Amino acid sequence: NAGVTQTPKFQVLKTGQSMTLQCAQDMNHEYMSWYRQDPGMGLRLIHYSVGAGITDQGEVPNGYNVSRSTTEDFPLRLLSAAPSQTSVYFCASSYRRGNQPQHFGDGTRLSIL
Amino acid sequence: LAKITQPISMDSYEGQEVNITCSHNNIATNDYITWYQQFPSQGPRFIIQGYKTKVTNEVASLFIPADRKSSTLSLPRVSLSDTAVYYCLVGERGGATNKLIFGTGTLLAVQP
Repeated sequence: NAGVTQTPKFQVLKTGQSMTLQCAQDMNHEYMSWYRQDPGMGLRLIHYSVGAGITDQGEVPNGYNVSRSTTEDFPLRLLSAAPSQTSVYFCASSYRRGNQPQHFGDGTRLSIL
Repeated sequence: LAKITQPISMDSYEGQEVNITCSHNNIATNDYITWYQQFPSQGPRFIIQGYKTKVTNEVASLFIPADRKSSTLSLPRVSLSDTAVYYCLVGERGGATNKLIFGTGTLLAVQP
């Protein structure tokens, strides 16, 4: 019963590098989402997906791409990392869109130099 | 998007009841209100969810007035382990899709 699993837990990048933050859930949840958490800014929605093949933008989507090829996985891609993307990233899931996120991963702490 | 506001911090003592409010003037008519607890270096943990009036579970109650422009999380008898940051989450009206927006968070400090 793993719930929502995020990898890696920590990552340091240089400006301009690309990387993918992985998120997987084993609960057959339709709704998955990505948030970033910054001091003084709380949690902000980046992208979300209501099912395989369907994604949409959240509050702060610029600089990030997502795809949802399977129900289980929802990776977040940074194509060209910028220092402003230094943050803690959380992936979340719930059974359906009407149920707001029920399970969160433990986060990926990303630093961009 | 309007900001969803909560008190920055609250202090309490063990055994007391704590009420944390969240103001959300632009809440979507068809969306729920959800509350989470977050400890340092962990993801938020679901506490309770409701749409209107009152909802109660084994750890908390949620009070929502008829206009749904605010909500109150009630923790009946807090303990030291309830020291954490508490967030509300609502869907805000806007465009074709409601946006899920977290409140600013309330740091609850419980003392012996």
